[in-house]
Amino acid sequence: DARVTQTPRDKVTEMGQEVTMRCQPILGHNTVFWYRQTMMQGLELLAYFRNRAPLDDSGMPKDRFSAEMPDATLATLKIQPSEPRDSAVYFCASGGTGVRDTEAFFGQGTRLTVV
Amino acid sequence: AQSVTQLGSHVSVSEGALVLLRCNYSSSVPPYLFWYVQYPNQGLQLLLKYTTGATLVKGINGFEAEFKKSETSFHLTKPSAHMSDAAEYFCAVSESNFGNEKLTFGTGTRLTIIP
Repeated sequence: DARVTQTPRDKVTEMGQEVTMRCQPILGHNTVFWYRQTMMQGLELLAYFRNRAPLDDSGMPKDRFSAEMPDATLATLKIQPSEPRDSAVYFCASGGTGVRDTEAFFGQGTRLTVV
Repeated sequence: AQSVTQLGSHVSVSEGALVLLRCNYSSSVPPYLFWYVQYPNQGLQLLLKYTTGATLVKGINGFEAEFKKSETSFHLTKPSAHMSDAAEYFCAVSESNFGNEKLTFGTGTRLTIIP
């Protein structure tokens, strides 16, 4: 059963620490998205990659956030230094352009708490 | 630019009653419209989507939605609510039929089912 895998599921960290979230997209999907969910802002797109190249990262604070795809099976979202306002659930999703790739599939999310 | 408005952040219905969740969109191009459901501590799961063709779309779990271009609406309905329908529901719009295009989400509607 193909699925998007995110690690860790939960992360509690102190303000100022570096946080790295990982995502394994569905094999064969060429696009990976990072969304952030908060009570105040809802679901917002942070960045997305196509064929491992960043396509749009305008939703991401550049001074502390970075997103990469070291290879086709791994996407990372890093926050350095973390701040309490970064507390949120971060979702990774993947999608493709095949005939059957008509929806984006979401991981279960990483719940980040910065204290 | 695309946007989605979901009227009513919280909706409560009795078990067995009609479920109606409202969604209006704004798009400068022909929209592709989606409804996602999120259960507690889970990722988002696609309920249904409108691409082209038939304006009444049927999805999983007995849900359906009707695309009304003149009203720029895509309301979600279910004739008879079940306790298992309690969740948060998100309407979203995209510029593409494929899963590799970014989604713009509404703020979500939390559905509560009253026994």
